[in-house]
Amino acid sequence: AQSVTQLDSQVPVFEEAPVELRCNYSSSVSVYLFWYVQYPNQGLQLLLKYLSGSTLVKGINGFEAEFNKSQTSFHLRKPSVHISDTAEYFCAVSEGGSNYKLTFGKGTLLTVNP
Amino acid sequence: NAGVMQNPRHLVRRRGQEARLRCSPMKGHSHVYWYRQLPEEGLKFMVYLQKENIIDESGMPKERFSAEFPKEGPSILRIQQVVRGDSAAYFCASSPGRGRQETQYFGPGTRLLVL
Repeated sequence: AQSVTQLDSQVPVFEEAPVELRCNYSSSVSVYLFWYVQYPNQGLQLLLKYLSGSTLVKGINGFEAEFNKSQTSFHLRKPSVHISDTAEYFCAVSEGGSNYKLTFGKGTLLTVNP
Repeated sequence: NAGVMQNPRHLVRRRGQEARLRCSPMKGHSHVYWYRQLPEEGLKFMVYLQKENIIDESGMPKERFSAEFPKEGPSILRIQQVVRGDSAAYFCASSPGRGRQETQYFGPGTRLLVL
């Protein structure tokens, strides 16, 4: 069975600093990978997704993630964060045969301080 | 274009009561998914429905839980005889199809508290 580990439950950073949110997964088959963001009192919004092709994926709001198959990782990065990036970030994976069934990590709360 | 709507946003029930959670998908979407997030856990898949059909309910508890997506109206997740362990956030998502290119759009969730 697939699983997702987000290594940091909370990440505090200062505005304009770079940030990396870590995500590792385990699966015995090919996977699709996703990052979602949840702002307070809102639904989850897709930031980016990896289905195939280039391992570097660019998403909305200046975020990008790199798929590393050998390390089974899909870390999310942003070179310079804003206050408005404060939110909960979820990494998710689905397996090729059941691509609709997302398995999520526990989430990482990113707090951007002035 | 309104997003996925869920109501109520917060629901309080006493043990043994029934909870009904509603989800209206985005306009044009005919596929609905329910997920549950227990405290300190990630979201877990529960069930996948199309109009009038349950496609995959492998994540649903065997007892007390049911889901439907009628031809008209919202999708309903029903929990009978709730227990404290049912306290969680329940998220609904929708998509226009189920191909791998389809993104699931999530609602804001319903926070269920069982006293």
